[in-house]
Amino acid sequence: EAGVAQSPRYKIIEKRQSVAFWCNPISGHATLYWYQQILGQGPKLLIQFQNNGVVDDSQLPKDRFSAERLKGVDSTLKIQPAKLEDSAVYLCASSPDRDLYNEQFFGPGTRLTVL
Amino acid sequence: DAKTTQPPSMDCAEGRAANLPCNHSTISGNEYVYWYRQIHSQGPQYIIHGLKNNETNEMASLIITEDRKSSTLILPHATLRDTAVYYCIVRVSSFGGSYDKVIFGPGTSLSVIP
Repeated sequence: EAGVAQSPRYKIIEKRQSVAFWCNPISGHATLYWYQQILGQGPKLLIQFQNNGVVDDSQLPKDRFSAERLKGVDSTLKIQPAKLEDSAVYLCASSPDRDLYNEQFFGPGTRLTVL
Repeated sequence: DAKTTQPPSMDCAEGRAANLPCNHSTISGNEYVYWYRQIHSQGPQYIIHGLKNNETNEMASLIITEDRKSSTLILPHATLRDTAVYYCIVRVSSFGGSYDKVIFGPGTSLSVIP
């Protein structure tokens, strides 16, 4: 079974530029998560989708971050404009059902560096 | 804030058992204990979860105290590939039930030493 795919793996931008990350979850997984992981910290949930609806986006900085999940499959996370403090690894995860067993499958992440 | 506390780092000799503790003194009756690990430059990986009984799978064993206020993840024969950050998380698991946020703490950085 193919895992969660993310692209790009690495991205370097200057502050105030825009950037977008893409995630393709495991086929058939209804729930998709985006996390932000700053160096030395655990992942922090930014947004959770159930199919193509948002379940939780309470920690998403909505003035600059946006996310969508088209047709309940792929998802994109965008930052516009980026700030220095956005430098982090952005992880995408999926799970087969909202709560059942709560096993989340993570992708490799996108490492963003904002200069 | 995370509902768990873990030591920031631990060492373990290769081939020996690694015992990683976790305190979750405010755990509720319907909250499960989950363990994930994150090897350097990879996404977190699910290890095991439990409610109140001890659990074992091919990766590890989970021992939960009778009062459920703490637990221990046991890697029976640690190898160098087990060097990683280990996260202990508590959350509700209820099919179709209420939603609860997954909160990762800083975890325990385990170093397996040759």
